[in-house]
Amino acid sequence: EPEVTQTPSHQVTQMGQEVILRCVPISNHLYFYWYRQILGQKVEFLVSFYNNEISEKSEIFDDQFSVERPDGSNFTLKIRSTKLEDSAMYFCASTLRLYEQYFGPGTRLTVT
Amino acid sequence: GENVEQHPSTLSVQEGDSAVIKCTYSDSASNYFPWYKQELGKRPQLIIDIRSNVGEKKDQRIAVTLNKTAKHFSLHITETQPEDSAVYFCAATTNTGNQFYFGTGTSLTVIP
Repeated sequence: EPEVTQTPSHQVTQMGQEVILRCVPISNHLYFYWYRQILGQKVEFLVSFYNNEISEKSEIFDDQFSVERPDGSNFTLKIRSTKLEDSAMYFCASTLRLYEQYFGPGTRLTVT
Repeated sequence: GENVEQHPSTLSVQEGDSAVIKCTYSDSASNYFPWYKQELGKRPQLIIDIRSNVGEKKDQRIAVTLNKTAKHFSLHITETQPEDSAVYFCAATTNTGNQFYFGTGTSLTVIP
């Protein structure tokens, strides 16, 4: 069964550095999402992406964040200048039709 | 925006007993309600979902009920097994499917 994949599984970065988190959605899926989950807390929506543009974004998704689908297979989340509070698990998800989302395994981001 | 509340935050049951987790939502436009199971350190996995034109849906030992008037929906797990132990999240979204709102999670422990 096809799965969403994410790399790296764990990223450690210093405060102020830029990070790029990568996701490969399931190949025929059309809708893509990024979520974050701070340790022990709920999953929080960041952004949704369809037809090469952002469909919706939350208040968490400020100017420090950007998303891109550079080559038709990868879906990336960039954080320009990381803060300590960006430390979290970041999940990518994709779906063919609206609703039935399939999550990737996550990237644990640690900002020191 | 939508606000999803989930109760209880922790739940312990004896193996074989039933478990019920409840969620409420605030936005009457929400019309799709998935439930996710997240085992420790793993990705959320969709286990069942319900749309607003249906009051109940069942899949083997798992069922979900929806009361649109009261704006609440519940997950029912019967004949619980130790492998049901995990964190369960409810979520809600509108028919745009662009932004999902998650509950705070319920940590279910099934005691053998």
